[in-house]
Amino acid sequence: GQQLNQSPQSMFIQEGEDVSMNCTSSSIFNTWLWYKQDPGEGPVLLIALYKAGELTSNGRLTAQFGITRKDSFLNISASIPSDVGIYFCAGSIRGTSYGKLTFGQGTILTVHP
Amino acid sequence: DAGVIQSPRHEVTEMGQEVTLRCKPISGHDYLFWYRQTMMRGLELLIYFNNNVPIDDSGMPEDRFSAKMPNASFSTLKIQPSEPRDSAVYFCASTQGRNQPQHFGDGTRLSIL
Repeated sequence: GQQLNQSPQSMFIQEGEDVSMNCTSSSIFNTWLWYKQDPGEGPVLLIALYKAGELTSNGRLTAQFGITRKDSFLNISASIPSDVGIYFCAGSIRGTSYGKLTFGQGTILTVHP
Repeated sequence: DAGVIQSPRHEVTEMGQEVTLRCKPISGHDYLFWYRQTMMRGLELLIYFNNNVPIDDSGMPEDRFSAKMPNASFSTLKIQPSEPRDSAVYFCASTQGRNQPQHFGDGTRLSIL
C-alpha cells in the first residue's frame, strides 16, 4: 500500500534548539496533516494544509505543503521540554476515498532541558 | 466539547477470548475510523464508516476482526477469537465532512496473553 517516508525517525535535541522534520511520498496528496502523540494518548492535530505551497504557523510550529504536492515539512522553533513526543505526518491521496489518511512512521522527539 | 470517547482504556485477556472495543465519535461527525498502532507497523487504518455505512474495510487483518456502527453515536470493533499478535493500541477517530482533519480518541491498549 501507499506509504509516507518520514524523517528523521528520532531526534535528541537541547531545549531552545529548532527542529525540522519532513515527509515525502511517491503519490500526489490533496491534504497534509501534522499530528503529535503524547504517551498514553491519541494523536492530536497540530496543523492542517490544503494547498500546494501553503505555509501555516501555529505558535512555534510552522508547516508547509510542498509545491510538488508530494512532500511536507514541520519546523518547531525554540523547543521546550513539553515538545517531547511522537510527531506524525498524514495525508490523503488525490483520487482516494474522502477522509482516508495515510500516516508516516513518526518522528520521536526528545528534548533535554 | 467532548472528544472521541473510547472504552475500555486498557484490556488484558487470554487468547481465544472475544474482545469488544467501543467508540463514541464527536457529535455531528459523519466519518468514523478504526486504527491499530504497533511499534512494528505504526498506525494502520483498519476500517472506516461514512454515515454509519462501512466504506473501506480493506485494512481489517482477517475474519476474526469485525466492526459495526449501529448508529451515529456508537461503533464497536470486535476480535473473536483473540490472539497474542492482536496486542496493540486501537484508536478510533472521527471527522466531519470531506477532507476535514480526523480527531482521535485516547485509544484502547489491548494485551492478549
